[in-house]
Amino acid sequence: DAKTTQPPSMDCAEGRAANLPCNHSTISGNEYVYWYRQIHSQGPQYIIHGLKNNETNEMASLIITEDRKSSTLILPHATLRDTAVYYCIVRVSSGSARQLTFGSGTQLTVLP
Amino acid sequence: DTEVTQTPKHLVMGMTNKKSLKCEQHMGHRAMYWYKQKAKKPPELMFVYSYEKLSINESVPSRFSPECPNSSLLNLHLHALQPEDSALYLCASRGVLRDTEAFFGQGTRLTVV
Repeated sequence: DAKTTQPPSMDCAEGRAANLPCNHSTISGNEYVYWYRQIHSQGPQYIIHGLKNNETNEMASLIITEDRKSSTLILPHATLRDTAVYYCIVRVSSGSARQLTFGSGTQLTVLP
Repeated sequence: DTEVTQTPKHLVMGMTNKKSLKCEQHMGHRAMYWYKQKAKKPPELMFVYSYEKLSINESVPSRFSPECPNSSLLNLHLHALQPEDSALYLCASRGVLRDTEAFFGQGTRLTVV
């Protein structure tokens, strides 16, 4: 299983871009990078995922380095509601179902 | 409908009780998951069901007994739990045949007294 490393915590000023890094140096060629977030005491929420190209949706952008050993999640204009734990996950396969194994994540605090 | 519904939202049970947690989804997802989450920790995978069959059991004690009676429903039967089993229990579902995101329920907050 590819393991991910994230900083335990980050702060960001409201209205500024939040850039959350993730290292996944042992990622395999067919493994995707997924990002989820978990607001306090709620279920995790999917944000975005990618294989090797950069991706953008209405919530965020995902930048994956060319060697795929690291990625950055960008929240372009952070709001107070973006305060959450952000998890970077590399998907692994097991039989016909695919595990989703969480690392320790980054606690993002958006400051007013 | 992109919801995973978990019931109950909160549960308090004694160590001799038997109770069940329920999870339901109507997205046609054939993979369903149970996670356990302690305070300030990431979710830990417990069980994975694929096409209503148990495919992964992460060495979970037998006092936790999962059941998948049909493709929309996932249960977790609880018996003789310990206080350290108090946690947030999360259910998730996702498609199997192609790479899609997982949808999570809001969880059941379980307290064992």
